[in-house]
Amino acid sequence: SQQGEEDPQALSIQEGENATMNCSYKTSINNLQWYRQNSGRGLVHLILIRSNEREKHSGRLRVTLDTSKKSSSLLITASRAADTASYFCATDKAGNTPLVFGKGTRLSVIA
Amino acid sequence: EAQVTQNPRYLITVTGKKLTVTCSQNMNHEYMSWYRQDPGLGLRQIYYSMNVEVTDKGDVPEGYKVSRKEKRNFPLILESPSPNQTSLYFCASSLRGAVREQYFGPGTRLTVT
Repeated sequence: SQQGEEDPQALSIQEGENATMNCSYKTSINNLQWYRQNSGRGLVHLILIRSNEREKHSGRLRVTLDTSKKSSSLLITASRAADTASYFCATDKAGNTPLVFGKGTRLSVIA
Repeated sequence: EAQVTQNPRYLITVTGKKLTVTCSQNMNHEYMSWYRQDPGLGLRQIYYSMNVEVTDKGDVPEGYKVSRKEKRNFPLILESPSPNQTSLYFCASSLRGAVREQYFGPGTRLTVT
């Protein structure tokens, strides 16, 4: 039961540019999280935004959440080659429900 | 160091030969889960456990078993592996359920021939 869908599937930018990735989901959520995965490695948590929050910042990351459109965006400012990775959104619903991941956006930052 | 460990990291086996992938966390987390990751399909949850002796099926539980006898360990068992279980497997844990940050293990790459 895929809940989140990231867009675009792949993104290639120059170092220093901003990268924006989007996530859309189908049903009401409790929280939305973003994770990063370097090739073949475990996922690393980036940020969690609750359904009653609209925007959250962490360093060079900015996440927005629009529950009316059932969508979220992840903005990475001033990208670096080290940001090259796949980025996943994950959603959960209220109660003891599992976390459901999207298929990810593959970001390439070219030095 | 707070971490989730998985063993083995790489495994090549043959169809039908029972195997166990171990997962252990040292953060006293209540919640643990297993995912498989396949190209084009993203991460799909196999099983999860809210606490000791409590396990539930995820999206793709067929062909897998789990147990949660201790809080720190959550092994994944393939009683009779088949080639369609060739995948990259991740164990994850969190303090309390899916609503919290998940800590992932390094992954186990399994090939079933």
